[in-house]
Amino acid sequence: GAVVSQHPSWVICKSGTSVKIECRSLDFQATTMFWYRQFPKQSLMLMATSNEGSKATYEQGVEKDKFLINHASLTLSTLTVTSAHPEDSSFYICSARGQGLTDTQYFGPGTRLTVL
Amino acid sequence: RKEVEQDPGPFNVPEGATVAFNCTYSNSASQSFFWYRQDCRKEPKLLMSVYSSGNEDGRFTAQLNRASQYISLLIRDSKLSDSATYLCVVNIYNQGGKLIFGQGTELSVKP
Repeated sequence: GAVVSQHPSWVICKSGTSVKIECRSLDFQATTMFWYRQFPKQSLMLMATSNEGSKATYEQGVEKDKFLINHASLTLSTLTVTSAHPEDSSFYICSARGQGLTDTQYFGPGTRLTVL
Repeated sequence: RKEVEQDPGPFNVPEGATVAFNCTYSNSASQSFFWYRQDCRKEPKLLMSVYSSGNEDGRFTAQLNRASQYISLLIRDSKLSDSATYLCVVNIYNQGGKLIFGQGTELSVKP
């Protein structure tokens, strides 16, 4: 199956700093990438949908100026958490999909962010 | 009302037991349905897709009832390695094909 990687797998940062998370599709071209967040004991919540070469579409309640998403190529999307605070501590997971709406989404291994 | 709702867990069962998970969805435009499995601190992994005719993969059987907007997963002869959280997932095509996840049902299989 297709492989999606994320980097870093975990990160600890101080409050007020920015953190960038990379999501790469290793063996296929991902027209669309999705960013999710998962808090302990809760399910995945979609944060935004990112299409290559265009602006991301954010879900209701997700601050676009705080969570900056860039999808500059068909194999790479980045999520930058700006001015991180302890409440941003969470498990961030990306997924990547090919061109069709029915194409399978392949998930990255996730990035665990802890903000002190 | 949540778009995808699952049985609240956790389910604690002995090895060899049969366990059933239920899920309902509210968006009638939903068009693809899945069960994912998520192990602790890991990403979700696709377990199986769910079709109207029902489908089986070894010890796992999934059923879909579009009229009732209901999805189920049956695990027979449960193994210790089945312990995980099971996520009911719906793909809504007219919303850009995004996946909506249920809150998950935790399964713990004991020896």
